[in-house]
Amino acid sequence: ELKVEQNPLFLSMQEGKNYTIYCNYSTTSDRLYWYRQDPGKSLESLFVLLSNGAVKQEGRLMASLDTKARLSTLHITAAVHDLSATYFCGSGGGADGLTFGKGTHLIIQP
Amino acid sequence: SQTIHQWPATLVQPVGSPLSLECTVEGTSNPNLYWYRQAAGRGLQLLFYSVGIGQISSEVPQNLSASRPQDRQFILSSKKLLLSDSGFYLCAWSGIGAGEAFFGQGTRLTVV
Repeated sequence: ELKVEQNPLFLSMQEGKNYTIYCNYSTTSDRLYWYRQDPGKSLESLFVLLSNGAVKQEGRLMASLDTKARLSTLHITAAVHDLSATYFCGSGGGADGLTFGKGTHLIIQP
Repeated sequence: SQTIHQWPATLVQPVGSPLSLECTVEGTSNPNLYWYRQAAGRGLQLLFYSVGIGQISSEVPQNLSASRPQDRQFILSSKKLLLSDSGFYLCAWSGIGAGEAFFGQGTRLTVV
């Protein structure tokens, strides 16, 4: 059974700071996905990581994948309030669907 | 471009009443379709997935069922709702062989 674990589950940080969210998955997979969820809203796709060493960046967010360590990271640089949201990583995919972590609830305070 | 529609956006139903949530996808053929549930403050649980018309796989035993009467239509149903069925229901699709899932806007169901 594929398991996906995120940490931390809750993160409160100040604007301008850097931080990293970690996502570990339990089975070998070459695909890892990051999503953002705003309160009361659906999930929005952020990054698709398809191979070992993949790195994707969008604005202040950067995601990477290490399939040997079964680890993906989502790094936040110089955080701004607009990045406050819940971030999910998901692994697997295809016909069986994605298995998601429990999500990281991120609050960025001025 | 592909779009996914899910309705209704919110629903308040009494215990024991039936349920029907509908999801349709446009702009693609033969998508993989999924129903997820998110309980308040919790993660996402995959309920059902479908790789084609009439083909439904269930991930967890529950009070719900799913059907796919057409290629791009996915329906979530219940004959009698329970309080524990409350949550945020999300429909999603992915392409054949692709893993990235695209989500509908969700239905917030409250069973009272």
